Amino acid sequence: GNSVTQMEGPVTLSEEAFLTINCTYTATGYPSLFWYVQYPGEGLQLLLKATKADDKGSNKGFEATYRKETTSFHLEKGSVQVSDSAVYFCALSDPSSGGSNYKLTFGKGTLLTVNP
Amino acid sequence: GAGVSQTPSNKVTEKGKYVELRCDPISGHTALYWYRQSLGQGPEFLIYFQGTGAADDSGLPNDRFFAVRPEGSVSTLKIQRTERGDSAMYLCASSTQDGTEAFFGQGTRLTVV
Repeated sequence: GNSVTQMEGPVTLSEEAFLTINCTYTATGYPSLFWYVQYPGEGLQLLLKATKADDKGSNKGFEATYRKETTSFHLEKGSVQVSDSAVYFCALSDPSSGGSNYKLTFGKGTLLTVNP
Repeated sequence: GAGVSQTPSNKVTEKGKYVELRCDPISGHTALYWYRQSLGQGPEFLIYFQGTGAADDSGLPNDRFFAVRPEGSVSTLKIQRTERGDSAMYLCASSTQDGTEAFFGQGTRLTVV
């Protein structure tokens, strides 16, 4: 079956520090990969995605590259801000799962706190 | 509305009672998903609707859980004979049929006491 393993938190950084949150996956078929973010008091929001090997998703200064050879989709940001404090979820969608693009398998989430 | 709306935002019920959780998707979105998120875990898929029909209900944990979407818009997740282990955040998401993104509601936090 499908599974996602992501770096356990919590992660605490100072403003302007470099961020990496590791994510690896196991899937049957050829999945699409996602990072979702949940800000305090808000619902899950799509941060970025990649649909095929070597694709790079990017948004709001965050990036992640779909690495088929290492089954990874690590999230990075060069300089974090206090406003980036949130829970980050890595997820995959296997297109072989009956045509639904959003039957997602999520990791457990990583809490990021950025201090000024 | 502007986004996916879930009601109530919080629900406390006694063990053994029946509960209904409601999801109003974004207007025009044909696909609707229910997920369950336990504390400290990522969301887990429950069921997916395309229009009025449940296209995939493989994530429903047992026959106490049931969901409907009679007119292809609003959906209701129904839980019978609730157990304390059903306590979780229940999330709803919607998308267009071949959409590039699924939009999530803020969830209903269910507590069974």
